[in-house]
Amino acid sequence: QKEVEQNSGPLSVPEGAIASLNCTYSDRGSQSFFWYRQYSGKSPELIMFIYSNGDKEDGRFTAQLNKASQYVSLLIRDSQPSDSATYLCAVSRNSGYSTLTFGKGTMLLVSP
Amino acid sequence: GAVVSQHPSWVICKSGTSVKIECRSLDFQATTMFWYRQFPKQSLMLMATSNEGSKATYEQGVEKDKFLINHASLTLSTLTVTSAHPEDSSFYICSASRPNQPQHFGDGTRLSIL
Repeated sequence: QKEVEQNSGPLSVPEGAIASLNCTYSDRGSQSFFWYRQYSGKSPELIMFIYSNGDKEDGRFTAQLNKASQYVSLLIRDSQPSDSATYLCAVSRNSGYSTLTFGKGTMLLVSP
Repeated sequence: GAVVSQHPSWVICKSGTSVKIECRSLDFQATTMFWYRQFPKQSLMLMATSNEGSKATYEQGVEKDKFLINHASLTLSTLTVTSAHPEDSSFYICSASRPNQPQHFGDGTRLSIL
């Protein structure tokens, strides 16, 4: 059974700090990895995706992938209260246009 | 970015009613659309995958006769919850994608069955 594991949190960080969100997955055939942000009562919004081992940076966000360890993370620099949300990790055997398997999400709370 | 519109955003109806939810990709042709369901404090659970012009593929445990999916065009998919009951109350979310591109989600439909 394919599983994506995340710590449910909440992860509390002060404004301006770096938030580190982690995710592990069980399916070694996974090729694509996604981070979605979901505000309470809203649908998920794509933040980052990464296909290759290493780091990928986009603004304040950095996704890190280690396929050997089956581990993917999201770093949020200079965290803002508006970053407070649940962050969902999702993996796919393709580039995301096929089935995604989601983790349960990590709640992030950024305090002013 | 890609825009996916979902309608209605909120439905409250009586038990036994059928409810139709529409999902539209507004600025791209979606070869594949997905329907998810999310219960409170749970993650998204895929219900079915639909490709334009063909029958939907349902996940194990999802009743295809209860959750009717139609994907008649590259920009529109519909989910009809037939004879809805209180246990069907949930947050239903669609997503749309095209080859080699990530899925983009609609705003979701909160369904409450009384």
